[in-house]
Amino acid sequence: AQKVTQAQTEISVVEKEDVTLDCVYETRDTTYYLFWYKQPPSGELVFLIRRNSFDEQNEISGRYSWNFQKSTSSFNFTITASQVVDSAVYFCALSDGDFNKFYFGSGTKLNVKP
Amino acid sequence: NAGVTQTPKFRILKIGQSMTLQCTQDMNHNYMYWYRQDPGMGLKLIYYSVGAGITDKGEVPNGYNVSRSTTEDFPLRLELAAPSQTSVYFCASSYGPEVTEQFFGPGTRLTVL
Repeated sequence: AQKVTQAQTEISVVEKEDVTLDCVYETRDTTYYLFWYKQPPSGELVFLIRRNSFDEQNEISGRYSWNFQKSTSSFNFTITASQVVDSAVYFCALSDGDFNKFYFGSGTKLNVKP
Repeated sequence: NAGVTQTPKFRILKIGQSMTLQCTQDMNHNYMYWYRQDPGMGLKLIYYSVGAGITDKGEVPNGYNVSRSTTEDFPLRLELAAPSQTSVYFCASSYGPEVTEQFFGPGTRLTVL
């Protein structure tokens, strides 16, 4: 069975601090895909990144970076120099490729205070 | 492109009433999905479809039905609404069969009283 755990329910930081959101996943498949989505207060879901299980390279996109470690089944997300606009709920999701169905974690609510 | 659109945005139902949540996508995606998001929780898959005429159950299908008569539309039917169905419902779509990101609609906030 597929499972995604986001143990951090809520995190509060002050603007310009760095913050890491944790994601741990469980799957028996050797081929799988991991995703991060952002849900701002307006409620829509915004795609951030997709990573497949064969690509363990870390990725950086502006202030965002992702650390994928198969050895610990983790796919963590770091925001550098956080901004108030980063305040949102962030979801990690797993797909085993079976009709592209997603299994979501419970989300981490990030509060960035000015 | 409008992407994925959902109607209505908000709805209040009485226990035992029925309704249909509408979902349409204009990206010619093969795959479509319905999720529900309960407060403080992640999204749970209700039903999905891999093409017109093909649907299957997800993690939490009880109390719901779907149909897919066209590539564009994937309505979700609630029969005999119950307070446990109070939630935010998201429709999503993606290209298939490759694994790509899913594109989400804006959601429908449903309250059953």
